[in-house]
Amino acid sequence: EPEVTQTPSHQVTQMGQEVILRCVPISNHLYFYWYRQILGQKVEFLVSFYNNEISEKSEIFDDQFSVERPDGSNFTLKIRSTKLEDSAMYFCASSDARGLEFEQYFGPGTRLTVT
Amino acid sequence: AQSVAQPEDQVNVAEGNPLTVKCTYSVSGNPYLFWYVQYPNRGLQFLLKYITGDNLVKGSYGFEAEFNKSQTSFHLKKPSALVSDSALYFCAVRAYGNNRLAFGKGNQVVVIP
Repeated sequence: EPEVTQTPSHQVTQMGQEVILRCVPISNHLYFYWYRQILGQKVEFLVSFYNNEISEKSEIFDDQFSVERPDGSNFTLKIRSTKLEDSAMYFCASSDARGLEFEQYFGPGTRLTVT
Repeated sequence: AQSVAQPEDQVNVAEGNPLTVKCTYSVSGNPYLFWYVQYPNRGLQFLLKYITGDNLVKGSYGFEAEFNKSQTSFHLKKPSALVSDSALYFCAVRAYGNNRLAFGKGNQVVVIP
């Protein structure tokens, strides 16, 4: 069964450093998403991406964040200058092209620790 | 804004007994409702969804959920729980016209042998 993969599984970085989280969505999916979950809190939507552009973003997704689909398979989330409060589990997801009512499939997550 | 409430932190149930995990939602317009399950060190796995039609929807692993518009609820149920059902369960809602899923805080389900 196809699945979303994410690398690395755990990333430790120092405050102020740039990090790139990588995701490989399911191959025939065209909608891509990033969510995050701060320890003990809800899973929060960050951004959705379709047709090589952001289709929706939350108030969390400020100028420190960016997303990119650099090739036909990868989908990345970049945090330019990490803060302590960016420490969280980051989930990538993808969904079928046929419509927004279709379910999103999630990867296993990248745990980001900012020290 | 859309939101989900999962009122219980943990649900304990004996193996073989019925399992219910509660979810209520708030959204403008018709909701798209989803249940996901998360096992340790794994991503969120899709269980089932309600889009339209029959209020009782069936999903993976014997789970089902009932949509109740008047009570704005979408409770997850399983007639006979298994120890392997022990996991974290998330309810989520999406409003028509936008992409984002709004999640509840999750419920830890513990099935006692």
